[in-house]
Amino acid sequence: ETGVTQTPRHLVMGMTNKKSLKCEQHLGHNAMYWYKQSAKKPLELMFVYNFKEQTENNSVPSRFSPECPNSSHLFLHLHTLQPEDSALYLCASSPGGPAKNIQYFGAGTRLSVL
Amino acid sequence: GESVGLHLPTLSVQEGDNSIINCAYSNSASDYFIWYKQESGKGPQFIIDIRSNMDKRQGQRVTVLLNKTVKHLSLQIAATQPGDSAVYFCAESSNNNDMRFGAGTRLTVKP
Repeated sequence: ETGVTQTPRHLVMGMTNKKSLKCEQHLGHNAMYWYKQSAKKPLELMFVYNFKEQTENNSVPSRFSPECPNSSHLFLHLHTLQPEDSALYLCASSPGGPAKNIQYFGAGTRLSVL
Repeated sequence: GESVGLHLPTLSVQEGDNSIINCAYSNSASDYFIWYKQESGKGPQFIIDIRSNMDKRQGQRVTVLLNKTVKHLSLQIAATQPGDSAVYFCAESSNNNDMRFGAGTRLTVKP
């Protein structure tokens, strides 16, 4: 266990559906991240939150909407997705400060868009 | 633009042999590097890191070497075991900015 829990582990949705991914960290970290992982491609950073404030949106389409109600929870709301959005979505957290870049990852949500 | 990449997408080694996974980076301002391991069905897991003021750092059975002259990073795994089979990513950052990841090398350990 890494201390970062993601639910659900698998999700199949149609292009007109609305769903949410959830991430919870039990490490007392101040920063949380959403990444997209597609086959044979580098991890793509989507969003960064520091102390519940969004500090980075990496040109992500508006059909992905993040929410960070507190430092321990992070959501990714999905609506009207496209088949090319099918991927593994990874959540991570980090302590911030000098160790900010040692990130602890959840196991991911495998998303399939039909 | 700047990028992080790997020389080989796959590596197959015999159990007990040493493994060397390579990574090239292009950003001359990169000052911090991390190796992650991702097993099937899991998220990436931190293995070892190194800062640009060092050439070598050792952990338990792993060694990271940094050659800033040619912008090359390697991960050496001693006495590779079946449990080492995974995808290995290098990542870099500069000036404490967000990490940028390579595409990964899949390591397969043959019994």
